Formats: sequence, structure tokens, C-alpha cells
Amino acid sequence: AQSVSQHNHHVILSEAASLELGCNYSYGGTVNLFWYVQYPGQHLQLLLKYFSGDPLVKGIKGFEAEFIKSKFSFNLRKPSVQWSDTAEYFCAVIPYSSASKIIFGSGTRLSIRP
Amino acid sequence: DAGVIQSPRHEVTEMGQEVTLRCKPISGHDYLFWYRQTMMRGLELLIYFNNNVPIDDSGMPEDRFSAKMPNASFSTLKIQPSEPRDSAVYFCASSLPGSLGEAFFGQGTRLTVV
Repeated sequence: AQSVSQHNHHVILSEAASLELGCNYSYGGTVNLFWYVQYPGQHLQLLLKYFSGDPLVKGIKGFEAEFIKSKFSFNLRKPSVQWSDTAEYFCAVIPYSSASKIIFGSGTRLSIRP
Repeated sequence: DAGVIQSPRHEVTEMGQEVTLRCKPISGHDYLFWYRQTMMRGLELLIYFNNNVPIDDSGMPEDRFSAKMPNASFSTLKIQPSEPRDSAVYFCASSLPGSLGEAFFGQGTRLTVV
């Protein structure tokens, strides 16, 4: 079945550690890709997005993501995390064939130890 | 624009009662999505609309759930009768067409059915 996969359900890091969260999708053809963040008790907010062009996308708060078409991946990275990055992170895909239907992954909970 | 506005923010109701959740999308957004978020199931797409017309309601769990969008600025999600397993946070989101369309989320309605 077509899907968006986030293999890490819960990641625990210390402050200043580097972060990489995996996201893989199974849709063929052109896709739009997103990472959203949900801080505790809040709604989802956009971190970054990829539509076309440079596959390395920079977002807010020092986050970046790299689109690797051959691997159907869009991994999220941050060189040095802070305690305030504690949140849940969702990868999302809009396949061009989907009439704008946004498909979310199951989310990765990130906990940062102070 | 004030963003996507949902009401109420919190709803506590007794099993068997009718519940109506409301959403006002961002003006000019053609797409409106209803999501449900629980610990067990994560973020689930229930239904989405394009230009007030339901496009895909395959995520609606059962006939007790219904959604309407009578005009471009208002949508409702109704549960009748409600059951304890419907307890969740319900998010509404809106977007422009897919090639542009990151989703903007409302603050959510936390529903508790006792």
C-alpha cells in the first residue's frame, strides 16, 4: 500500500547532539514533501517544505531536510538540538496524483535531555 | 488572517450525545481537511473538501460521523451518537491547491466522551 513511513517512533537525545529523523514514502511520480512539528499541547506547524529545485531544503529553527529521489526519502536533520526542540515531528507527502490529499507519517517523538 | 479557527477548544460530553465541531478555514484556501489525533492511531485523515465538495471521506470511521461544508468559510464535523472511543483531538486544516499547498492547522478541539 502507498504510505509515508517514519521508522523511529521515539528518539531521545542530549542537548547539542545531532539529529536525523527518517522519512520514506512509496508514491511514484512527482511529490511535494513537508515536515511539520507539534510542540506539546499545540497544533501542527510547518517546519519546511520541498516542491522542486535544490533537494537540500532549509527550514525554520535550524532544521534542514534532503530529498533523495532515488531513495524515496526526505530525512530531517539538525546539527545541534536544543531542549526546546522536544516535540513530535511529522513527515507529510502530497502526491501529484492525489488531488491535494496530504498524507502524514505516524510521527516521531523527540525528547531532548537538558 | 487569523489562521484556521476551530471551536470549541475543549468539549466534554456524555456518551450518546451529539457533538458538533466547527472550523473556519483561511480565506482563499480551496481545501479543507479534518484530522483526528490519538495516541494509538496517530494522525488520521477523516475527510477533505475541495471548493466545499467532499473529495475523499474514506477515513470517516463509521456512519456516526458526518461532515459538511455549506460554504467556503465554514465546515462542521458531527458525531451522533458519540462514544468514549471517539475521544481525541480533532484538527481542521486548510490549504491552497496541491502545487502550492502546505496545510495550515487550527488549534484543535479536544473531545472527551464520558
